[in-house]
Amino acid sequence: IAGITQAPTSQILAAGRRMTLRCTQDMRHNAMYWYRQDLGLGLRLIHYSNTAGTTGKGEVPDGYSVSRANTDDFPLTLASAVPSQTSVYFCASSVLAGGPDTQYFGPGTRLTVL
Amino acid sequence: GENVEQHPSTLSVQEGDSAVIKCTYSDSASNYFPWYKQELGKGPQLIIDIRSNVGEKKDQRIAVTLNKTAKHFSLHITETQPEDSAVYFCAALLSGSARQLTFGSGTQLTVLP
Repeated sequence: IAGITQAPTSQILAAGRRMTLRCTQDMRHNAMYWYRQDLGLGLRLIHYSNTAGTTGKGEVPDGYSVSRANTDDFPLTLASAVPSQTSVYFCASSVLAGGPDTQYFGPGTRLTVL
Repeated sequence: GENVEQHPSTLSVQEGDSAVIKCTYSDSASNYFPWYKQELGKGPQLIIDIRSNVGEKKDQRIAVTLNKTAKHFSLHITETQPEDSAVYFCAALLSGSARQLTFGSGTQLTVLP
């Protein structure tokens, strides 16, 4: 069982380009999340999905979009990347949505926007 | 919404000593408080959690205490070892219909041999 996989591991991107970060889980978890991690700011929620077919906005959703076509996949798209989106991005999942449940994190994607 | 503050941002201790990391939260309706450990180059991993109906929880060398009145909770690591060196995040879950974890800013713990 792989848990959560993310791709790519790292990416350097020119400003203005479109980029999709991939996230796949094989645990059949209902809920999935995207966070960005910046030094001194901790983990901030970008978007979440409580179940396949639904998504919601987190604390910092601007400039990002997500989709949840099935249980396993939760891609994050930057339509037109800007340097302030340089960050480490983590995907996570949990069995329960919106409750006191363990979140399992992927290994992260390090994104640099120039 | 919820706001979680975490202190200190960095902490160095000698191997064998104890380490304490503290967090405060703003919303008294929060009822779940997990702690995550992030090793270098990896994603965070849950190490212990506590719910609002409990004041303290222990798991071997790790313990968490919760003071609901003061709205703060703390992580205690005893007999620290080099492998405890990592970034630690606290978080709080606001009760309600749109509940999502709010994380603190993290503490870099270094255990010196």
